[in-house]
Amino acid sequence: QQQVKQSPQSLIVQKGGISIINCAYENTAFDYFPWYQQFPGKGPALLIAIRPDVSEKKEGRFTISFNKSAKQFSLHIMDSQPGDSATYFCAANTNAGKSTFGDGTTLTVKP
Amino acid sequence: ETGVTQSPTHLIKTRGQQVTLRCSSQSGHNTVSWYQQALGQGPQFIFQYYREEENGRGNFPPRFSGLQFPNYSSELNVNALELDDSALYLCASSWDDGTGPEKLFFGSGTQLSVL
Repeated sequence: QQQVKQSPQSLIVQKGGISIINCAYENTAFDYFPWYQQFPGKGPALLIAIRPDVSEKKEGRFTISFNKSAKQFSLHIMDSQPGDSATYFCAANTNAGKSTFGDGTTLTVKP
Repeated sequence: ETGVTQSPTHLIKTRGQQVTLRCSSQSGHNTVSWYQQALGQGPQFIFQYYREEENGRGNFPPRFSGLQFPNYSSELNVNALELDDSALYLCASSWDDGTGPEKLFFGSGTQLSVL
């Protein structure tokens, strides 16, 4: 049973555009929702995270939007750059800190 | 770069063999988690260690076992290797103040190939 569903599987965006990646979860016990960025040959790196009592969090060009009633959250990358080309994973944690990951979105930003 | 180091970076084994993967946590972190990442998929939680005790386990069989040492470094052991065990194995360290660790800091992983 996949508890965190991520879409799209791949995304191509022009430089300067907005990249949007969506995730949906099922388990209402999740209480922490991080996003990770992974480059080839590297482990995932924490990008930004949100708790369910907040509807939006912004850090630089990265914004998480969270809809608790719909059990959905999304990552917006503003002014996308070629250096943002990577695989992005959403995740959801229980208070015990065990992360359930989505299957990832491969983002390609074209110059 | 995180302070989490994993060894070896690559490993080739044959079916039925045993393997030990090692992880050195980021300084000051007391919790280690192990994840398996198959090609094209997200990481899957294997187990977590907190103060040398297993603190939660994912849907993995008992032939996956681990240890955490007093210096918070950790090992992942896999017995009776199967072809499907071929994956990137990721170690993540974090700090648990008693309310549960949240921010995970991943190493670059060990790529295991089982032939």
